[in-house]
Amino acid sequence: KAGVTQTPRYLIKTRGQQVTLSCSPISGHRSVSWYQQTPGQGLQFLFEYFSETQRNKGNFPGRFSGRQFSNSRSEMNVSTLELGDSALYLCASSPLTSGITDTQYFGPGTRLTVL
Amino acid sequence: QKEVEQNSGPLSVPEGAIASLNCTYSDRGSQSFFWYRQYSGKSPELIMFIYSNGDKEDGRFTAQLNKASQYVSLLIRDSQPSDSATYLCALEVGGGADGLTFGKGTHLIIQP
Repeated sequence: KAGVTQTPRYLIKTRGQQVTLSCSPISGHRSVSWYQQTPGQGLQFLFEYFSETQRNKGNFPGRFSGRQFSNSRSEMNVSTLELGDSALYLCASSPLTSGITDTQYFGPGTRLTVL
Repeated sequence: QKEVEQNSGPLSVPEGAIASLNCTYSDRGSQSFFWYRQYSGKSPELIMFIYSNGDKEDGRFTAQLNKASQYVSLLIRDSQPSDSATYLCALEVGGGADGLTFGKGTHLIIQP
């Protein structure tokens, strides 16, 4: 079974621009979560989608948004980019088959550099 | 507020020895705990998860959970140079909708 895929893998943007990142979950997985990873803050939860609905969002400004499509693929968008948005953006998918544990599997990430 | 604390390291362990990685957390509502391994420049890779008090073994890896003391640990037996990586501890409060809360990781170095 193919893993989580993310596109693009690398991206360079300038301040003020916007960017859209894409994530395709593992086949059969219905939950998609997004995380930001920086050297200073580590891995931080952005938001989670299930059945095209955002169920929760982390402590990030409204410039960060996302959506999920009926085939469970997800996109996240960052508008008005700032230098501090430079980070590795990770997508994780989960099957949500267990009532106890929601095991998340990460994609390779998108490395975003804002100049 | 959910917090996960890990010693950033580096933790240096000779090849063949047992590496012990520790993690403490603040939210008593935390239900499930995960250990991820992350090689430099790569994404996190799930090693194992645990949600019941006690030990859980998977090959060379053993996760230990003590909810009363609010700590979770990972033991790596017969450490290999390929185990050199950053190990991330993560917790989930419940349901999955809140996402995982991660520690900042422990950098482990296995010395040949």
